Amino acid sequence: NAGVTQTPKFQVLKTGQSMTLQCAQDMNHNSMYWYRQDPGMGLRLIYYSASEGTTDKGEVPNGYNVSRLNKREFSLRLESAAPSQTSVYFCASSELAGGLLTYEQYFGPGTRLTVT
Amino acid sequence: QKEVEQDPGPLSVPEGAIVSLNCTYSNSAFQYFMWYRQYSRKGPELLMYTYSSGNKEDGRFTAQVDKSSKYISLFIRDSQPSDSATYLCATSRNSGYALNFGKGTSLLVTP
Repeated sequence: NAGVTQTPKFQVLKTGQSMTLQCAQDMNHNSMYWYRQDPGMGLRLIYYSASEGTTDKGEVPNGYNVSRLNKREFSLRLESAAPSQTSVYFCASSELAGGLLTYEQYFGPGTRLTVT
Repeated sequence: QKEVEQDPGPLSVPEGAIVSLNCTYSNSAFQYFMWYRQYSRKGPELLMYTYSSGNKEDGRFTAQVDKSSKYISLFIRDSQPSDSATYLCATSRNSGYALNFGKGTSLLVTP
């Protein structure tokens, strides 16, 4: 099993450009998450999808949109990138929402995004 | 103010030392307490979790929760250079809620 995969690994964008970060998991998990990690700020939740067909805002959703394409895939879109969105983006998945295993989140390797 | 506070370090110790990593939290509704380990340029991975108060031991690692003082600790015995990583504490009110992460403490174990 590959676990959680993310593409691309690195990306440089100019201000105003758009892009989509892709995430896929092969563990048959119901819940998926997008985080950003910044120095001094830790991991902050952008959006999550408790189950296929649902998405909810996290702590820092502004400037982002998400799509839960199917049970395996959860994408994050930046419509008009800004330098403040320079960060490392992590996708994660977990077994159940509302069950007992949500705390065990499996993370992907991250996407390092720079917006100039 | 974040709901989970964690000293970012860095913390540098010699090989074989006992390491103590700590977090405090503000919401008494938190029930699940976790420690994630993150190696450089990798995603975090779950190291240990505890439910409510008490201790949990796994090899050289012990997780401790004191709900009365809202204090979470991770102890590493006989620390090894391979333990060098960033350790993030995390809390959750109940299963089904998103995790609240601390900022992470960077640990360096020198040979």
